[in-house]
Amino acid sequence: KNQVEQSPQSLIILEGKNCTLQCNYTVSPFSNLRWYKQDTGRGPVSLTIMTFSENTKSNGRYTATLDADTKQSSLHITASQLSDSASYICVVKDGGNKLVFGAGTILRVKS
Amino acid sequence: DVKVTQSSRYLVKRTGEKVFLECVQDMDHENMFWYRQDPGLGLRLIYFSYDVKMKEKGDIPEGYSVSREKKERFSLILESASTNQTSMYLCASSLGAYNEQFFGPGTRLTVL
Repeated sequence: KNQVEQSPQSLIILEGKNCTLQCNYTVSPFSNLRWYKQDTGRGPVSLTIMTFSENTKSNGRYTATLDADTKQSSLHITASQLSDSASYICVVKDGGNKLVFGAGTILRVKS
Repeated sequence: DVKVTQSSRYLVKRTGEKVFLECVQDMDHENMFWYRQDPGLGLRLIYFSYDVKMKEKGDIPEGYSVSREKKERFSLILESASTNQTSMYLCASSLGAYNEQFFGPGTRLTVL
């Protein structure tokens, strides 16, 4: 069964610290993987998309990695800010154009 | 900027009521989607539409129907609301079938 599992479920860090969110998937065949950020009370917004051939992609302080062999992705946030407090959702697209959503990681950055 | 708007941010309904959730996008996207989001479960696809008057069932269509009479508008209908339909409902649109989806702010529906 195609699944996307994210860890941790929730995380609290101090402002200015770095953190890494994990996404493991069993989706096959794999097409691409996208990370979304969802602020409280808002819809998700795309941060980055990873295709099979890409290992690393950055978007400002956000860096996503993909290991297609182990079917793992991570989202690294550098020098966290209070505005990074949100839910981060990993979404994998299979070869048949189906999207499989992870349950998300809730990040809270405190001062 | 793509804008997806949803008719209500919060909605409280009684069991058995018919409920309409409206979604409008302003970027001429062909594809529109309805999801529900529950804690610990992530987003689950209810229905999607790839053209006017076209609709496809998602993973959890039971108890829901949809309507797409105009390209920019996609409605979700709960024919007879039940308490297990209490959830956050998110609408999204995209240019291609599975390109980046742009989401609305969500409607938090409570069925009493």
